[in-house]
Amino acid sequence: DADVTQTPRNRITKTGKRIMLECSQTKGHDRMYWYRQDPGLGLQLIYYSFDVKDINKGEISDGYSVSRQAQAKFSLSLESAIPNQTALYFCATSDLRGRGNTEAFFGQGTRLTVV
Amino acid sequence: AQSVTQLGSHVSVSEGALVLLRCNYSSSVPPYLFWYVQYPNQGLQLLLKYTSAATLVKGINGFEAEFKKSETSFHLTKPSAHMSDAAEYFCAVSVKGGSEKLVFGKGTKLTVNP
Repeated sequence: DADVTQTPRNRITKTGKRIMLECSQTKGHDRMYWYRQDPGLGLQLIYYSFDVKDINKGEISDGYSVSRQAQAKFSLSLESAIPNQTALYFCATSDLRGRGNTEAFFGQGTRLTVV
Repeated sequence: AQSVTQLGSHVSVSEGALVLLRCNYSSSVPPYLFWYVQYPNQGLQLLLKYTSAATLVKGINGFEAEFKKSETSFHLTKPSAHMSDAAEYFCAVSVKGGSEKLVFGKGTKLTVNP
């Protein structure tokens, strides 16, 4: 089983619908992240969480919300999906003790299409 | 704030040729630097990282990168390209003692021709 698991892997939804992307991890890491990848733009940080009670906005948080249900679970919600939220979404984790010098571990991604 | 610039969104090399992917960073404090690789339909995987221990960093699959502070660069190289190296490569930076979130470059797609 993957250390960082994202569900669903692919999703097509209609404009205006609410959708939740889920992420769970078995690495025991404190830190979890949601990134969005668009072709030619690299990865942009949406939200990040350093523990269950610590959630922070990233570069592009508008239109998104998150919930850290447990240390191992971090979900991303689109309250009212719009077509320009069509993208590849990645969840990632990292170890608190690394203080910046440890790698982030990524899930396989969720390809979201909003029609 | 830190940032990363990857020169060249697409790089094409022949099998067996040198691979050079360029990355320049901007940071007001000493950075940590990373190279990640993304194969088609997969997540990102760490190739190598610079954490100030040594300026020449060796990673997986024969890749290496050299941290040059005077040039604010962290270019990725591999002496001999293999077909399996075809992927997208991302340079990323984080800083010590900061929020420690990664800032990624826009990526370079590497094509390896037979």
